[in-house]
Amino acid sequence: KNEVEQSPQNLTAQEGEFITINCSYSVGISALHWLQQHPGGGIVSLFMLSSGKKKHGRLIATINIQEKHSSLHITASHPRDSAVYICAGNFGNEKLTFGTGTRLTIIP
Amino acid sequence: GAVVSQHPSRVICKSGTSVKIECRSLDFQATTMFWYRQFPKQSLMLMATSNEGSKATYEQGVEKDKFLINHASLTLSTLTVTSAHPEDSSFYICSAGTRNPYSNQPQHFGDGTRLSIL
Repeated sequence: KNEVEQSPQNLTAQEGEFITINCSYSVGISALHWLQQHPGGGIVSLFMLSSGKKKHGRLIATINIQEKHSSLHITASHPRDSAVYICAGNFGNEKLTFGTGTRLTIIP
Repeated sequence: GAVVSQHPSRVICKSGTSVKIECRSLDFQATTMFWYRQFPKQSLMLMATSNEGSKATYEQGVEKDKFLINHASLTLSTLTVTSAHPEDSSFYICSAGTRNPYSNQPQHFGDGTRLSIL
């Protein structure tokens, strides 16, 4: 069964803190996606990765294939980073299997 | 970057009305579009996958006669909620991708449609 699990479910931090959101998945994943959903509902695709590490601005995504684990890091967090972050995986086809999301709140 | 436009962003209508939601890829050809439904504080649930020029593939438990999907061109897919009832009230969101049999491609999401049936 294709599974994607995220932790924590909720995360509150002070502005400027380094943030880590974790994602673990079952075998058979071909690509791992990190998505950001804003309060209005719109979703932005942040990263798609199958190995190694990717960086975009203050966001960094890593994946460890052997451990079946991915992390999303946010450096120098800011209140505008407050959103729900969703980990999702492709398991050999186009469909995405979603994690339950992590609700991040950054306090000024 | 790639943009997907979804309209309308919000619909409020009476029970029994049919509601059409459009999903357009603005700067790329979307061979595949996905329609999701999301209840408050829950994850996205895939409803159906539509491929240009062919019938949509519905997930188990999704009524195809209730949720009509049309993907008539490489830039447009529509979801029609027929004879909508209050239990159909939800957040509907589409995503679009370009099929590549050799590798997974990012999906590009619309901004979603919040449907409220009175």
